[in-house]
Amino acid sequence: DIQLTQSPSSLSASVGDRVTITCRASQGISNYLAWFQQKPGKAPKSLIYAASSLQSGVPSKFSGSGSGTDFTLTISSLQPEDFATYYCQQYNSYPPTFGGGTKVEIK
Amino acid sequence: EVQLVESGGGLVQPGGSLRLSCAASGFTFSSYEMNWVRQAPGKGLEWVSYISSSGSTKYYADSVKGRFTISRDNAKKSLYLHMNSLRAEDTAVYYCARLPTVTTMGYWGQGTLVTVSS
Repeated sequence: DIQLTQSPSSLSASVGDRVTITCRASQGISNYLAWFQQKPGKAPKSLIYAASSLQSGVPSKFSGSGSGTDFTLTISSLQPEDFATYYCQQYNSYPPTFGGGTKVEIK
Repeated sequence: EVQLVESGGGLVQPGGSLRLSCAASGFTFSSYEMNWVRQAPGKGLEWVSYISSSGSTKYYADSVKGRFTISRDNAKKSLYLHMNSLRAEDTAVYYCARLPTVTTMGYWGQGTLVTVSS
């Protein structure tokens, strides 16, 4: 199975900060990577697919980049509603696997 | 608008069975592969099972293989997960998910809680 390692596992940031989360795959996955946001008690919400394509309805402050084994999710200007846990997921091969999550907290 | 609505969760004793359902709307259900993903309390996301658009191909996580069965009814636009021989470690919120592809977006249901306890 392909392992996904997210870093950091948690971070504290202020409103207005630029935040970057990384996801590293244990082997090359081309651009078959998605990012999700999850708030406590809620279902995951899709943000990015194909590494850099924005899900419909998702604000452009979210962006994704990368290919192969190294990927990033960037939030350009953190807002109160962005405090949540973010997961990456690969779909290059079955089984689909998820990163361990990055919890973004208020500083 | 794409909607996935799960149902069927609840409290079940170890060794028991449960069937989860997922009703889909807002897209051509029969054209898409579907998945079940679960999340144990306070834990991360774990993929459980996959079914192809026609239902002819199915995959399972090792942790549920031989105990869970995924199925679908394209005429009813519904996805199912039949769970047998349930264990305490199967306790989780179960999500119906249309996972993304290179060209299509991903969507998740709101989840249904399965609690396995005596």
